[in-house]
Amino acid sequence: QVQLQESGPGLVKPSETLSLTCTVSGDSMSSYYWSWIRQPPGKGLEWIGSIYYSGSTSYNPSLKSRVTISVDTSKNQFSLRLTSVTAADTAMYYCARDSPEPYWGQGTLVTVSS
Amino acid sequence: EIVLTQSPATLSLSPGERATLSCRASQSVSSYLAWFQQKPGQAPRPLLYTTSKRATGIPARFSGSGSGTDFTLTISSLEPEDFAVYYCQQRSNWPWTFGQGTKVEIK
Repeated sequence: QVQLQESGPGLVKPSETLSLTCTVSGDSMSSYYWSWIRQPPGKGLEWIGSIYYSGSTSYNPSLKSRVTISVDTSKNQFSLRLTSVTAADTAMYYCARDSPEPYWGQGTLVTVSS
Repeated sequence: EIVLTQSPATLSLSPGERATLSCRASQSVSSYLAWFQQKPGQAPRPLLYTTSKRATGIPARFSGSGSGTDFTLTISSLEPEDFAVYYCQQRSNWPWTFGQGTKVEIK
């Protein structure tokens, strides 16, 4: 069974860069889309962006200028970088495999605070 | 961007009752609609994908239907563990989007 695990700092200072990694186990990364989703405390889900195993990406237009998603299939990992963070970026961040059947990680809380 | 509108916002039902949740898209998403369940303090759990295919381990009381712009998640007989928030997501057009959620609460 596919398992995904998010990792990265739980606290980021305002204006700095948020960096998270998702490690995939139980399956190859080939032929799938891999995504990042976030959820601010008490709010709904927001799709951040996705990357195909080959490296092509799509991003949420509201975040596009600040987001980069990359993939390293040799390590079975994909990563999220979000620059110039503010308190509004405080959220649970989830990684997921989207196609065909979705699999999600357990999430990691990132707080933006000085 | 495709907007997904879920209704109702809150559904108050008793265990054993049938739950019917709606997700309406602002334009056609074909059959590329998924449903997720989220309980407090937990990650969203995939329930259905491609409208009606149950994810691994999901019981048969969960079913999905629809196509184009109108979709329904049905829970045939609510179990105590089914009281949660449910989200729909479209993966037809970029950017992928989620609905705002429907809370199923105990009446």
